[in-house]
Amino acid sequence: EIVLTQSPGTLSLSPGERATLSCRASQSVSSSYLAWYQQKPGQAPRLLIYGASSRATGIPDRFSGSGSGTDFTLTISRLEPEDFAVYYCQQYGSSSWTFGQGTKVEIK
Amino acid sequence: QVQLQESGPGLVKPSQTLSLTCTVSGGSISSGSYYWSWIRQPAGKGLEWIGRIYTSGSTNYNPSLKSRVTISVDTSKNQFSLKLSSVTAADTAVYYCARRTGYYGSGSYFTGEAFDIWGQGTMVTVSS
Repeated sequence: EIVLTQSPGTLSLSPGERATLSCRASQSVSSSYLAWYQQKPGQAPRLLIYGASSRATGIPDRFSGSGSGTDFTLTISRLEPEDFAVYYCQQYGSSSWTFGQGTKVEIK
Repeated sequence: QVQLQESGPGLVKPSQTLSLTCTVSGGSISSGSYYWSWIRQPAGKGLEWIGRIYTSGSTNYNPSLKSRVTISVDTSKNQFSLKLSSVTAADTAVYYCARRTGYYGSGSYFTGEAFDIWGQGTMVTVSS
């Protein structure tokens, strides 16, 4: 099973700042099978990025994804108040999906 | 647009079987090449994929839960279901159903896949 490790656990930033979230895999992941989600309290996760770098429908262009192999990054170029949430990376491999443990982006 | 809604008991006794249903509305569960999954999240913790089903009935399960999980589909009712047997307190969580979608670029080139539609989630507590 591929393990995804996200860092940092918590990111304390101010609105307007840039957020850089990391997702590292225990073995190589095909970029096509790497996705990012945003989750706010009491809500279901929301798809942000699929295929490591493609934005899902309706996702603002301040969200971008990059990376390959074992290292992937989600960048939020300028944090808006509604962006403070928990973010998860997720991968698919060997007929199974796994998620990272999440990064919380909180208001500083 | 397609929406998912989980339903089932919110309280299950230890050692019993947890049973949940996900109803698909706004579209046919059989249309398109979608996989239908169950995912859970204990309070304050991360997401755990439980298993998936295709409308043909083909299934895959999380190896750590495989011995206790059964996912089935009823296309006539536009529903798919989860059964988790021999539950313990560790199975207490919010349970989500979700649709897995494949994305294709020009020329039908596969570009990615992800869970694009989620139900709102249903809390299940395992307690006597």
